[in-house]
Amino acid sequence: AQKITQTQPGMFVQEKEAVTLDCTYDTSDQSYGLFWYKQPSSGEMIFLIYQGSYDEQNATEGRYSLNFQKARKSANLVISASQLGDSAMYFCAMRFLTGNQFYFGTGTSLTVIP
Amino acid sequence: GAVVSQHPSWVICKSGTSVKIECRSLDFQATTMFWYRQFPKQSLMLMATSNEGSKATYEQGVEKDKFLINHASLTLSTLTVTSAHPEDSSFYICSARTSGRVDEQFFGPGTRLTVL
Repeated sequence: AQKITQTQPGMFVQEKEAVTLDCTYDTSDQSYGLFWYKQPSSGEMIFLIYQGSYDEQNATEGRYSLNFQKARKSANLVISASQLGDSAMYFCAMRFLTGNQFYFGTGTSLTVIP
Repeated sequence: GAVVSQHPSWVICKSGTSVKIECRSLDFQATTMFWYRQFPKQSLMLMATSNEGSKATYEQGVEKDKFLINHASLTLSTLTVTSAHPEDSSFYICSARTSGRVDEQFFGPGTRLTVL
């Protein structure tokens, strides 16, 4: 069975500091995509970053970067220079290229402290 | 980026009534839409996959007769919660699949359902 694990239910970070949100996954498939979404209190899911299983370079999108370690099956999200507006729930998700199913982790609640 | 809307954004209804939630892709055609359910402080759980012009595919444990899904066009899918009960109170989120450089799903803003 496919599985996404986020072991940090809650995280705190000082404003302007960097923070890493952990995500590990379990699959025997070779072709898959890894996603990170942000969900503020309003409830909308905001796409942050994507990493394909065959991508050799770690994905980056502005202040977001994905530390992809395929052999360890981890896809940690790094947020640099945290801002107060980054306070939200963050979900790691995996999707297989041959199907439709998205598998979501349980989420990490990030609080940025001024 | 692609925009997905949901209507209504929140609804309160009496137990036993039916509630319809609409999901629209505003600037692209979505052959596949997905319906998720999220309880407070929990993750998103896929309920069903909705394909335009065909019957929805439901996940294990989701009652087909209770959660009716209709994908009438390439831009509209509806979820009807029939004979709603308080335990159906939840946050319902739809998403639409698009293909491109990054094959991903764009999520709607969600609908918060409260059944009294």
